Amino acid sequence: KQEVTQIPAALSVPEGENLVLNCSFTDSAIYNLQWFRQDPGKGLTSLLLIQSSQREQTSGRLNASLDKSSGRSTLYIAASQPGDSATYLCAVGFTGTASKLTFGTGTRLQVTL
Amino acid sequence: SAVISQKPSRDICQRGTSLTIQCQVDSQVTMMFWYRQQPGQSLTLIATANQGSEATYESGFVIDKFPISRPNLTFSTLTVSNMSPEDSSIYLCSVEISLYEQYFGPGTRLTVT
Repeated sequence: KQEVTQIPAALSVPEGENLVLNCSFTDSAIYNLQWFRQDPGKGLTSLLLIQSSQREQTSGRLNASLDKSSGRSTLYIAASQPGDSATYLCAVGFTGTASKLTFGTGTRLQVTL
Repeated sequence: SAVISQKPSRDICQRGTSLTIQCQVDSQVTMMFWYRQQPGQSLTLIATANQGSEATYESGFVIDKFPISRPNLTFSTLTVSNMSPEDSSIYLCSVEISLYEQYFGPGTRLTVT
């Protein structure tokens, strides 16, 4: 069964700190991996998309990496801000069913003043 | 990217009734998806809705409970039928824009009493 897991489930950091969120998947045959942000009770905002042929993608203070062989992706957030507080979800498009995203369990991030 | 809207944004319904959720996108897209997010959980794909064909349902979801329409390339509806409290969730639609990248609507928060 293709599964996606995120660790930690929750994280609290002081403002300004750099942090890493982890995503692991059980099947290395992936087409792509997408990171989303979800604010409480809201929809999902797409942050970064990494194709299987890529190793990383960057957008502003965010950097996502992908290591297919180890079944892992990380989302690095630099100089965290209170506005970064949200739940971060990774979603994997596995080869053969790439349109059917399999979501991780999410990491709830709180950035404190 | 794409701008996706959903109606209603939230609703409180009595058990045994049905609710139809609308999803509108600002550009023509081939593939639309409906997801469910139960309280405290991650997203689960309900079905894929392609224009001009019947929706394809994932394991555990059936057409009688979640009928879907896709009348054109910019619009879809999901009906939650004969509701019970277990149907209380956030329902989200998404669209595939390119390279299997998905964008999500703001979600519909449903509470069944």
